Amino acid sequence: GAVVSQHPSRVICKSGTSVKIECRSLDFQATTMFWYRQFPKQSLMLMATSNEGSKATYEQGVEKDKFLINHASLTLSTLTVTSAHPEDSSFYICSARRGISYNEQFFGPGTRLTVL
Amino acid sequence: AQSVTQLDSHVSVSEGTPVLLRCNYSSSYSPSLFWYVQHPNKGLQLLLKYTSAATLVKGINGFEAEFKKSETSFHLTKPSAHMSDAAEYFCVVSDRSSASKIIFGSGTRLSIRP
Repeated sequence: GAVVSQHPSRVICKSGTSVKIECRSLDFQATTMFWYRQFPKQSLMLMATSNEGSKATYEQGVEKDKFLINHASLTLSTLTVTSAHPEDSSFYICSARRGISYNEQFFGPGTRLTVL
Repeated sequence: AQSVTQLDSHVSVSEGTPVLLRCNYSSSYSPSLFWYVQHPNKGLQLLLKYTSAATLVKGINGFEAEFKKSETSFHLTKPSAHMSDAAEYFCVVSDRSSASKIIFGSGTRLSIRP
């Protein structure tokens, strides 16, 4: 149990286009989902926390108009990278937390974004 | 406030020898602690977690970690390294509040020499 999927696993896009990444909890309801960014050979950096039915909370330095997060249901959160540029190229990982008092997060397999 | 420090950015051991990956934490509340492994271009896999039960935690693939409150440490060990253990390892801390985020360590790259 507690499986999180991401789609797509890999995407290549042209500069200036927008890219949507989906994160789904397959066998549980996720009240909270998290989006992380990972640069090569570095740790994960939390970008934002999204709660179902409310606005996402962004970490300092993360542009909310650049990285749009929607958590429309208890099993789906989306991250849209708007007007992507080469510096947005990165590995994006989502995670989902099951319930309110349970603080373990379950991670998706990640999405490799390359902006040309 | 929480923080986690992984003391070694890179550890290299020979196959069949013990592995020790060090992690120290700080937390204002009783922490939950986790170790994750990440293979190249892959997501994170949970190795083990400590959530206030036994201080010696056994995980998958022969890994274990011991929670030492007096030393604020949660080091990861394995008696005998295997080539497939080569990966990046992250120590993670979270406090018990419902609003808690998890904090990642900077990671330790484990290399295994034949």
